[in-house]
Amino acid sequence: DAGVIQSPRHEVTEMGQEVTLRCKPISGHNSLFWYRQTMMRGLELLIYFNNNVPIDDSGMPEDRFSAKMPNASFSTLKIQPSEPRDSAVYFCASSFILGDTGELFFGEGSRLTVL
Amino acid sequence: KQEVTQIPAALSVPEGENLVLNCSFTDSAIYNLQWFRQDPGKGLTSLLLIQSSQREQTSGRLNASLDKSSGRSTLYIAASQPGDSATYLCAPSGANSKLTFGKGITLSVRP
Repeated sequence: DAGVIQSPRHEVTEMGQEVTLRCKPISGHNSLFWYRQTMMRGLELLIYFNNNVPIDDSGMPEDRFSAKMPNASFSTLKIQPSEPRDSAVYFCASSFILGDTGELFFGEGSRLTVL
Repeated sequence: KQEVTQIPAALSVPEGENLVLNCSFTDSAIYNLQWFRQDPGKGLTSLLLIQSSQREQTSGRLNASLDKSSGRSTLYIAASQPGDSATYLCAPSGANSKLTFGKGITLSVRP
């Protein structure tokens, strides 16, 4: 299996621009998670989907952030407009959840720098 | 709200040492706990998953234990090697595999 695939791996943009991060989960997994990692705050859960439906988006920092999962093999995280404080590494992870438990597998991350 | 603590934040040991990495969490109502490894600039690699009904899990030189009632987990690394140098994170899981991460322990194994 190719694992969780994220793109782009690196993104440098200017404040105010729209940023779209993409994720392809592991085939057969029914849950997908977006995390953000910074030195100050560590890993934070932004949103997770189960069977393509957003279950909990309480970690999304503000309305500038949105996430979609149009089908089982693709998800996007969009930031519009971007700000310098959004600079972080964004990770996508997927899992097959059965009975409230499952092992998470992470992608390599998308490193975002907003100037 | 689940809070996860990993102390110390960094650890340096000579090659060959057996070592224990500690993790504590505040909410014992967990479904499982995962230990991950993260190399600089890379994603997280799952090392071990312990279900809430289990006490420990082993993979090669790694052994993880879980004491749910006391909110503790340990990762034991036997005969450490320079290639074990990385950041190790523990993450207890609530419903729907919603993980809460500690800040991690950065391990350096000196040749």
